[in-house]
Amino acid sequence: AQSVSQHNHHVILSEAASLELGCNYSYGGTVNLFWYVQYPGQHLQLLLKYFSGDPLVKGIKGFEAEFIKSKFSFNLRKPSVQWSDTAEYFCAVTPNSGYSTLTFGKGTMLLVSP
Amino acid sequence: DADVTQTPRNRITKTGKRIMLECSQTKGHDRMYWYRQDPGLGLRLIYYSFDVKDINKGEISDGYSVSRQAQAKFSLSLESAIPNQTALYFCATSDLWGSNTGELFFGEGSRLTVL
Repeated sequence: AQSVSQHNHHVILSEAASLELGCNYSYGGTVNLFWYVQYPGQHLQLLLKYFSGDPLVKGIKGFEAEFIKSKFSFNLRKPSVQWSDTAEYFCAVTPNSGYSTLTFGKGTMLLVSP
Repeated sequence: DADVTQTPRNRITKTGKRIMLECSQTKGHDRMYWYRQDPGLGLRLIYYSFDVKDINKGEISDGYSVSRQAQAKFSLSLESAIPNQTALYFCATSDLWGSNTGELFFGEGSRLTVL
């Protein structure tokens, strides 16, 4: 079975700082990778996803993530965060088999101070 | 209107009571899921259904049951609620085909408190 590890449980940044959230997964085969965001009091929304092709994927709101297969990593980045990016971020993985389910990491709470 | 609708949005109940959380979707997806969210634990899969006749246990199914009444409806039941089932519950749907494979679409969540 697959698993996901997110490196930081809480991150505090000032506005305009750069962001990188770590995510590593464990699975021996081909995977689909996702980052979801949960704003306070809301449900999860998709930020970006990787299925195949260019390992650098761009998502909404200026976020991007890089898939490094050799490191089993899918780190999320943003060059300059805003106060409105305060949210919890979840990395998720599913084997690319069509009959598997999504496994989530435990989440990283990002607090951006104005 | 939301594509994935959960009812109730909030519920407070007592230990031992039977509770049903309902989920309906208008996305036309075959696959539906129930997840539980607890602080610091992320989302954990309770049950999932790949089509109307398919029900599968997830990571934490003990104490829960589900019913897939139709393609669009998937309900979660707690037969005898206990306090450690206090959590935020999310219903989600997904499609199998194309570039959306594996991507989940979530409802607004149902916050359950068991006293």
